[in-house]
Amino acid sequence: EIVMTQSPATLSVSPGERATLSCRASQSVSSDVAWYQQKTGQAPRLLIYGAFTRATGIPARFSGSGSGTEFTLTISSLQSEDFAVYYCHQYDDWPLTFGGGTKVEIK
Amino acid sequence: EVQLLESGGGLVQPGGSLRLSCAASGFTFSYYSMTWVRQTPGKGLEWVSTIYGNGAFTYYADSVKGRFTVSRDNSENTLFLHMNSLRAEDTAIYYCAKDPLTSGGHYLDYWGQGALVTVSS
Repeated sequence: EIVMTQSPATLSVSPGERATLSCRASQSVSSDVAWYQQKTGQAPRLLIYGAFTRATGIPARFSGSGSGTEFTLTISSLQSEDFAVYYCHQYDDWPLTFGGGTKVEIK
Repeated sequence: EVQLLESGGGLVQPGGSLRLSCAASGFTFSYYSMTWVRQTPGKGLEWVSTIYGNGAFTYYADSVKGRFTVSRDNSENTLFLHMNSLRAEDTAIYYCAKDPLTSGGHYLDYWGQGALVTVSS
């Protein structure tokens, strides 16, 4: 099973600042990584797939990068609606696995 | 607009059974693989099962293999998860989610709002 490890667990950021979230895979997953945003009481929402492709309707301030085992989600200028939990997900191999999440909170 | 609506959650005793349903609309259901993902506070998001668009192939997490069965009725645009021999550790919110392709094992582009399953005596 491919283990996805996210860091940090919690990220405190002021509105307007940049947030950088990391995800490491226990073995290479090529570019088969997606990122999801989850707000309290809501389902996850797809942000990024293929490591760097934004999903439909996702603002340009969200960007993804990386390949192999190291991946990054960057939010260039945090808006109030961006404070949430973010999960990475590998779909390179079965079983599909998710990271433990990074909570982005207001500093 | 893609919509996924789960139902069938509830309280069940250990060893009991439950069937979750996911009613889909806004897309050609039979074209796409569908997946169940569950979420617990302690373990985060956990993939449970995937079924191909034509129902020919199914995949299961080891934690549910032999106890859960995924199925679909493409004529009714509905996905199912039959859960038997339920355990306390199966307590979670269960989400159905859509795959962007007919074959499974991809990212999940749309998610339902979730159904809570509680296994407790």
